[in-house]
Amino acid sequence: DAKTTQPNSMESNEEEPVHLPCNHSTISGTDYIHWYRQLPSQGPEYVIHGLTSNVNNRMASLAIAEDRKSSTLILHRATLRDAAVYYCILRDRGNTDKLIFGTGTRLQVFP
Amino acid sequence: NAGVTQTPKFQVLKTGQSMTLQCAQDMNHEYMSWYRQDPGMGLRLIHYSVGAGITDQGEVPNGYNVSRSTTEDFPLRLLSAAPSQTSVYFCASSPERARGYTFGSGTRLTVV
Repeated sequence: DAKTTQPNSMESNEEEPVHLPCNHSTISGTDYIHWYRQLPSQGPEYVIHGLTSNVNNRMASLAIAEDRKSSTLILHRATLRDAAVYYCILRDRGNTDKLIFGTGTRLQVFP
Repeated sequence: NAGVTQTPKFQVLKTGQSMTLQCAQDMNHEYMSWYRQDPGMGLRLIHYSVGAGITDQGEVPNGYNVSRSTTEDFPLRLLSAAPSQTSVYFCASSPERARGYTFGSGTRLTVV
């Protein structure tokens, strides 16, 4: 299964931008790049996904490297409610749909 | 839409008992998955389904069975509960690969 690598933890101050990196050097041409987050004591929540082009939605932006071997989730203005574990996951477009979560990045946001 | 509904929310089992964790979605999603999350750990995939009648194993399938007779329901059966199966179980569904998964609120299971 394709793997992703993320830093264990990151810190940010409130209202500052946050860039959460993810490496996926073994990505195949059929893999989508998905991001989820999990707030304390809650189930995971879908944030954003992309294939080749950068993507924006109301929650975040996703910047994808030209070779697709890395991506960055961008929170434009961190709030205290953004403190969570962020997971970068590859989702293939083949016959299976084994969405494998790694250990993610724990984001701390300070007031 | 109710989204992804998991029942029960809490359950205590004795070692050796069997039970079924229910998962239902009313969004007509084709893809469904079951995960477990041990305290302080990440999520691990147990079983998944890409449509009614189709299921497959995830990372940690031993001790669990699933079936997908309808699009809406994806129950998870514990055959003979063990303390190692104490965990929070999440069910999730997705309409297609180009969309994200919606997760349920989880079932907290304790096996004593």
